[in-house]
Amino acid sequence: NAGVTQTPKFQVLKTGQSMTLQCAQDMNHNSMYWYRQDPGMGLRLIYYSASEGTTDKGEVPNGYNVSRLNKREFSLRLESAAPSQTSVYFCASKGTLGNQPQHFGDGTRLSIL
Amino acid sequence: SQQGEEDPQALSIQEGENATMNCSYKTSINNLQWYRQNSGRGLVHLILIRSNEREKHSGRLRVTLDTSKKSSSLLITASRAADTASYFCATDLIQGAQKLVFGQGTRLTINP
Repeated sequence: NAGVTQTPKFQVLKTGQSMTLQCAQDMNHNSMYWYRQDPGMGLRLIYYSASEGTTDKGEVPNGYNVSRLNKREFSLRLESAAPSQTSVYFCASKGTLGNQPQHFGDGTRLSIL
Repeated sequence: SQQGEEDPQALSIQEGENATMNCSYKTSINNLQWYRQNSGRGLVHLILIRSNEREKHSGRLRVTLDTSKKSSSLLITASRAADTASYFCATDLIQGAQKLVFGQGTRLTINP
């Protein structure tokens, strides 16, 4: 049972390059989330999707776009990477009912040179 | 700014001792959740306590919630080396549209 799968696990980019981080969940969850984690700052929400076909901005959306491709998949795109986007990115999913936890992938470690 | 603030930022204890971590938050919540993160891994859910609950247990974990003080604590009893990890509280806000707001975490080290 895979849970939440993120690809790639590691990536190094040059400033200005673009890339897409992939996330897929096999738990039939409606809600999906993208976070970034920086040292000493906990997790900050970038974008989320409450259900298939909807996306909304989180706390730190600038420089990112997302696509909820279907119920399983939620991708995060950096159109023009900047060094400030060096971080660890986590995807999470959650079922519809209230008072349920989120389930996290193992993260993508992204370095922008 | 972060909704949750955790205290202490780092904690180092001997194996077998109890570890207590605290979390404070600012606005009304549906529930408060605790997660563990091992080095280089994603977050793993530990326990969820609803706003109308005051205490909850799961194995060696005990969580309390005081909504009047807007605070929660996580107690790990009889600690083990495998408990070494970072622990995060996260609040599910009433106005939060099922989003979680995470604290900055407590880094727990269990010394053998």
